[in-house]
Amino acid sequence: GNSVTQMEGPVTLSEEAFLTINCTYTATGYPSLFWYVQYPGEGLQLLLKATKADDKGSNKGFEATYRKETTSFHLEKGSVQVSDSAVYFCALSDRGANSKLTFGKGITLSVRP
Amino acid sequence: EPEVTQTPSHQVTQMGQEVILRCVPISNHLYFYWYRQILGQKVEFLVSFYNNEISEKSEIFDDQFSVERPDGSNFTLKIRSTKLEDSAMYFCASSRDRGVTDTQYFGPGTRLTVL
Repeated sequence: GNSVTQMEGPVTLSEEAFLTINCTYTATGYPSLFWYVQYPGEGLQLLLKATKADDKGSNKGFEATYRKETTSFHLEKGSVQVSDSAVYFCALSDRGANSKLTFGKGITLSVRP
Repeated sequence: EPEVTQTPSHQVTQMGQEVILRCVPISNHLYFYWYRQILGQKVEFLVSFYNNEISEKSEIFDDQFSVERPDGSNFTLKIRSTKLEDSAMYFCASSRDRGVTDTQYFGPGTRLTVL
């Protein structure tokens, strides 16, 4: 079955540091890939997505590239802000009939001033 | 911008009681989902719903669970006889399509606490 593996957390960075959050996946077929973010006290918000190999999703300074050869979708940001403190979830959606999302465990990012 | 809404934000119930969690999906969306997140664990798929019937359900979604779209706007999750292990955050999601470009939009969640 499908699965998503995220690096272990939590991650604590200083403001303006470079961020990488690793995500790898296992899927039958050719999934779409997503990063969702959960700010404190809020629900899940779509951060970015990519639907085919070599696609780069980007939003709010975050980027992730769909790497089919390494089955990865690592999230990066060049300069994090305190407001980026949140939980980040990598997810995939298979292209079958129902497109359910399979999530990774999530990783908590704390950015200190 | 349209959004998915959920009520209540927090529900406390006694073990064995029935609860109904309510969701209002985005108005032109056709596909509806429930997920749950037990504290500290992964977000898990429960059920998907389209055209007034269940499309897929996980092994978590046993006979104690049911979903319904009672009118043109609401989408509900019912747990008939709650257990302690049902305590979790429940998220509703909706999408316009389920093709390669579909995106699921999530509500803010209902935190269910079973005592």
